Amino acid sequence: QVQLQESGPGLVKPSETLSLTCTVSGGSISSYYWSWIRQPPGKGLEWIGYVYSSGSTNYNPSLKSRVTISVDTSKNQFSLKLTSVTAADTAVYYCARDGSGYTHWGQGTLVTVSS
Amino acid sequence: DIVMTQSPDSLAVSLGERATINCKSSQSVLYSSDNKNYLAWYLHKPGQPPKLLIYWASTRESGVPDRFSGSGSGTDFTLTISSLQAEDVAVYYCQQYYNTPRTFGQGTKVEIK
Repeated sequence: QVQLQESGPGLVKPSETLSLTCTVSGGSISSYYWSWIRQPPGKGLEWIGYVYSSGSTNYNPSLKSRVTISVDTSKNQFSLKLTSVTAADTAVYYCARDGSGYTHWGQGTLVTVSS
Repeated sequence: DIVMTQSPDSLAVSLGERATINCKSSQSVLYSSDNKNYLAWYLHKPGQPPKLLIYWASTRESGVPDRFSGSGSGTDFTLTISSLQAEDVAVYYCQQYYNTPRTFGQGTKVEIK
């Protein structure tokens, strides 16, 4: 059973960089697309972008200038970096396996942007 | 971007009654080469990640009760809960995976009347 787990700081200061890692267990990260999705408090779901196991990426244009998603197949992990964060980036961040729908999700991690 | 619009924003249904949620995409999500609709439905409860219910617009994910069904094609889709149970109280989202950026509907909150 494939499981995903997000990890990273729960508090980030404005203008700094948000960094999260998703560890995939119970299966290989290879040959799949892996996405980051977020949900601000009281709002809906927003796709941030995905990375393929080869390292190719695709980002939401609304965040593209600030986002980097990378993969480390040796560790079965993929990561998110979001630069120059503001309060608007406060959200629950999920990692998920992309495909015909998102079949596997992490539990989600709340990241608060505040000084 | 493909805009996904759900209706209604919320609905209250009696236990055992039918609940119907609509989802409209701003452009077709039917891919002509494989004749598949790239549309998924999720159930989302507080404190949990979303749970995939339906993919390809009408294929039920393994383990999902058969009271959940999806229908529609092109730009208009429906999720039906044939007999609402207490555990179905949640926010429901549609999502297109026809292209990027992946986009979700705004969500429909289902409650018990």
